[in-house]
Amino acid sequence: QVQLQESGPGLVKPSGTLSLTCAVSGGSISSSNWWSWVRQPPGKGLEWIGEIYHSGSTNYNPSLKSRVTISVDKSKNQFSLKLSSVTAADTAVYYCARDPGQQLVRGWFDPWGQGTLVTVSS
Amino acid sequence: DIQMTQSPSTLSASVGDRVTITCRASQSISSWLAWYQQKPGKAPKLLIYKASSLESGVPSRFSGSGSGTEFTLTISSLQPDDFATYYCQQYNSERGFGQGTKVEIK
Repeated sequence: QVQLQESGPGLVKPSGTLSLTCAVSGGSISSSNWWSWVRQPPGKGLEWIGEIYHSGSTNYNPSLKSRVTISVDKSKNQFSLKLSSVTAADTAVYYCARDPGQQLVRGWFDPWGQGTLVTVSS
Repeated sequence: DIQMTQSPSTLSASVGDRVTITCRASQSISSWLAWYQQKPGKAPKLLIYKASSLESGVPSRFSGSGSGTEFTLTISSLQPDDFATYYCQQYNSERGFGQGTKVEIK
């Protein structure tokens, strides 16, 4: 079955850029699914960041759109997140997830990666 | 954007209790709603999608209902493994989550 694994620096300086990668195993990132990033600040709820299709098409949360870039690397079967101009408010556990839906009937998340904590601090 | 509001925020219950969590959307989302269970230090786990479709492998004591703006997640007989935080998520417009409901031991 499909498994996801996040990786990247656990500490980012304020005003810097957060960069994470999600490796997909047990399936192809070129399947008919969208792939998302979701974050969760410590002790708080979940926030959707954005999604990508293997063609490179993306959709972003309007509240983060100006700072977010999601990209795909089909040769490595992975997708990535970049979040610029970070502040302490961006400290969170970042999850990658697959949307198992197809075509127009889609939008939920399964499976999820285990998550990676990114702390923004000098 | 669509706001999702869950109630209650915390629920105290005993093993064997019937538990109901409510999720309200600020505008109609048809049946485009999912429910997740999250335990401390773990990723969310999908329970229900399309408001009432039970994800494969999820125990049948979990059920979802509703459409439009009001939805419920019901656990028919609470088990020790069910003490966790539950989130609803809409996917009618972009994606958005409720604030969560923590189910704790009474």
